[in-house]
Amino acid sequence: GAGVSQTPSNKVTEKGKYVELRCDPISGHTALYWYRQSLGQGPEFLIYFQGTGAADDSGLPNDRFFAVRPEGSVSTLKIQRTERGDSAVYLCASSPSGLAGHSYNEQFFGPGTRLTVL
Amino acid sequence: AQTVTQSQPEMSVQEAETVTLSCTYDTSENNYYLFWYKQPPSRQMILVIRQEAYKQQNATENRFSVNFQKAAKSFSLKISDSQLGDTAMYFCAFMKRDTGNQFYFGTGTSLTVIP
Repeated sequence: GAGVSQTPSNKVTEKGKYVELRCDPISGHTALYWYRQSLGQGPEFLIYFQGTGAADDSGLPNDRFFAVRPEGSVSTLKIQRTERGDSAVYLCASSPSGLAGHSYNEQFFGPGTRLTVL
Repeated sequence: AQTVTQSQPEMSVQEAETVTLSCTYDTSENNYYLFWYKQPPSRQMILVIRQEAYKQQNATENRFSVNFQKAAKSFSLKISDSQLGDTAMYFCAFMKRDTGNQFYFGTGTSLTVIP
């Protein structure tokens, strides 16, 4: 597809369960970002990949959250032992490059995955 | 740390009228970008306008323009000739120029355009 896609669109799970959220970036984009948007808030940065490696994971709230991008394209955000406070929309964005010092590259956002933890 | 503040949780405007959304930010950085993003109910974040901090001239994109006051750390968005399709959440965002390019977003302003 032409844009960033995220699956599933909506995910309902029970407290304590494990979930995986998937992001397919725009083809050829080397930088990929995950954000979390809680109700009534703006998106908050979680993690940034440059290629296959996590260049900055300072936004991950705790060790229950983990993300991978093994082939430098698709990324999966993994949440273990989900809690009700994890309920939010998880947004993914990609850009041609996110390398420090480069001129601005627009980030293109996906439609997000709405996670509800009961 | 960077913080972005939007003090107007909700606003409304009559169709064809002009509305201004406020944003202030706090940073010790000198090189950065500022953005306004639109988020309709579809949840897709759509770039409205971008401003580079080193440019004194205010950015404009068709009906959208900004008032960038660097010393005051203020970055307001003016929407002229408001249209029903402008109804959405609007987020002000900050990006440092030199590291990683991740956003820092405000809490948003919900704009309703009234027919």
